[in-house]
Amino acid sequence: EPEVTQTPSHQVTQMGQEVILRCVPISNHLYFYWYRQILGQKVEFLVSFYNNEISEKSEIFDDQFSVERPDGSNFTLKIRSTKLEDSAMYFCASMRDASYEQYFGPGTRLTVT
Amino acid sequence: DQQVKQNSPSLSVQEGRISILNCDYTNSMFDYFLWYKKYPAEGPTFLISISSIKDKNEDGRFTVFLNKSAKHLSLHIVPSQPGDSAVYFCAARLMGGSARQLTFGSGTQLTVLP
Repeated sequence: EPEVTQTPSHQVTQMGQEVILRCVPISNHLYFYWYRQILGQKVEFLVSFYNNEISEKSEIFDDQFSVERPDGSNFTLKIRSTKLEDSAMYFCASMRDASYEQYFGPGTRLTVT
Repeated sequence: DQQVKQNSPSLSVQEGRISILNCDYTNSMFDYFLWYKKYPAEGPTFLISISSIKDKNEDGRFTVFLNKSAKHLSLHIVPSQPGDSAVYFCAARLMGGSARQLTFGSGTQLTVLP
């Protein structure tokens, strides 16, 4: 059964460093998302991507964040200058079309020290 | 911002009995509701969904009920099994727009006791 994959499973970085989180969505899906879950808190929407552009972003998704779909299979989230409060589980999700469900990857645990 | 609320952080149920997980929402513009199950160190796994034009959807042991007038939905699991022990998230999606992002509740930890 097709699934969303994410790498790495755990990323440790120092404050101020850039990180790139990678996702491979399900191949025939058209909508792509990033969510995050800070420990003990809700899963929060960050950004959605459709038709090669950002379709919606939350207030969390500030200028430090960017997304890219560089090659038709990968979907990446870049954080330019990480802060301690960026420590969280980051989930990628994809959806076939607007009438279907979102399927989530296993997540990347980002630890900023 | 508490548009989707799960007021019970935990629930314990005996194996074989019914588990009922509840979710309330405040935004009447939500048109699609989903339940996800999450094990530790894994991503949310889609379980079942319901459109706002329906009041019930059933899939095997899982049934979701929607009461639009009360802005309330519930997930019934019958019979409950120990493997159902996980965190269950309710999520909702706004009608219209191209983003279709989900708004999640805070989750309910279900423990099914053998």
